[in-house]
Amino acid sequence: GAGVSQTPSNKVTEKGKYVELRCDPISGHTALYWYRQSLGQGPEFLIYFQGTGAADDSGLPNDRFFAVRPEGSVSTLKIQRTERGDSAVYLCASSSQGSGSPLHFGNGTRLTVT
Amino acid sequence: QKEVEQDPGPLSVPEGAIVSLNCTYSNSAFQYFMWYRQYSRKGPELLMYTYSSGNKEDGRFTAQVDKSSKYISLFIRDSQPSDSATYLCAITYNNNDMRFGAGTRLTVKP
Repeated sequence: GAGVSQTPSNKVTEKGKYVELRCDPISGHTALYWYRQSLGQGPEFLIYFQGTGAADDSGLPNDRFFAVRPEGSVSTLKIQRTERGDSAVYLCASSSQGSGSPLHFGNGTRLTVT
Repeated sequence: QKEVEQDPGPLSVPEGAIVSLNCTYSNSAFQYFMWYRQYSRKGPELLMYTYSSGNKEDGRFTAQVDKSSKYISLFIRDSQPSDSATYLCAITYNNNDMRFGAGTRLTVKP
């Protein structure tokens, strides 16, 4: 596809459950980012991949959050033991080079933890 | 103090008005400056991108960066109802740690 694709677009889960959120970046983009956006706020950085490796995971809030990108393309953000405070829109972005290249965002996954 | 400050608005203007959106930042090491537009339930869409002080124009949009004052602006000329969205400023050292403002919600009334 032409842009960053994220699935599912909406996810409702119960507190304590495990969820996986998927991101398909723009073809050929080596850098991939996950952000979290709460209502009325700008996106907050979670993790950055360059290729297959997590180059910077300093934004992950705690060890319940984990992300992988095993083949350097699709990425999955995994949240264990979800809490109501995890409810937010999770945005994925990709860029062609990383440093200095603008980010292209997907439409996000809206996660609601009940 | 937040690293990037942006007035969340909301801002409401009549069609055809000139809109001015602003952000301030605290760290002079930031070197890349961007404006994103975000429609409801959509991801941010890149509007303008610059890395130097001065003005950059693209159609009805002008981005302005003043590094000495740590101040960036986005001007929209001849605003249209389709410009109604949330506008986010974004600032980074190297893309790996991009900092966003809270976003300004703009409504352009026909």
